[in-house]
Amino acid sequence: EIVLTQSPGTLSLSPGERATLSCRASQSFGSNYLAWYQQKPGQAPRLLIYGASSRATGIPDTFSGSGSGTDFTLTISRLEPEDFAVYYCQQYGSSPRTFGQGTKLEIK
Amino acid sequence: QVQLQESGPGLVKPSQTLSLTCTVSGGSISSGNYFWSWIRQPAGEGLEWIGRIYNSGSGSTNYNPSLKSRVTISVDTSKNQFSLKLTSVTAADTAVYYCARGSAYFDYWGQGTLVTVSS
Repeated sequence: EIVLTQSPGTLSLSPGERATLSCRASQSFGSNYLAWYQQKPGQAPRLLIYGASSRATGIPDTFSGSGSGTDFTLTISRLEPEDFAVYYCQQYGSSPRTFGQGTKLEIK
Repeated sequence: QVQLQESGPGLVKPSQTLSLTCTVSGGSISSGNYFWSWIRQPAGEGLEWIGRIYNSGSGSTNYNPSLKSRVTISVDTSKNQFSLKLTSVTAADTAVYYCARGSAYFDYWGQGTLVTVSS
């Protein structure tokens, strides 16, 4: 099973700032089969990025994904108040599908 | 717009079977080449993929090895639903259970339903 480790656990930033979230895999899982999700309290996760860098439908271009191999990054170029949430990475290059433990993005 | 909605008991006794149903609206569950998955999330914790079923007549399934011996996922195309059964539950199975479309990444999710395992 591929283990995904996200860092930092909590990121404290202010609106307007840039956020950089990391996801590292315990082993390579082939191609760029990595997705990112945003989850707000009491809500289901929302797909942001798939294929490591492709934005899902309706996701603003302030969200971008990059990386390959075992190291991936989600960048939010300019934080809006509604962006403060928990973010999860997920790999789909290997079964079982696995998620990272999450990064909480909180308002500083 | 595809929508998913989970339903089922919110309380299950230890050693019994957890049964949930996901109703899909806004499209036929059997159209397109889609898998349909179950994912769970214990309170304050991360996400765990439980398993998936293909929407064709074969209903091909794949399960997380950690749960494989206790899980069954089935599909009822006539009702536009798919279901989860988890046997011999313990307190460790207490979680919010989500149904979702996809087997790679998950683009549509239900709102989730809390299932508590307690006597």
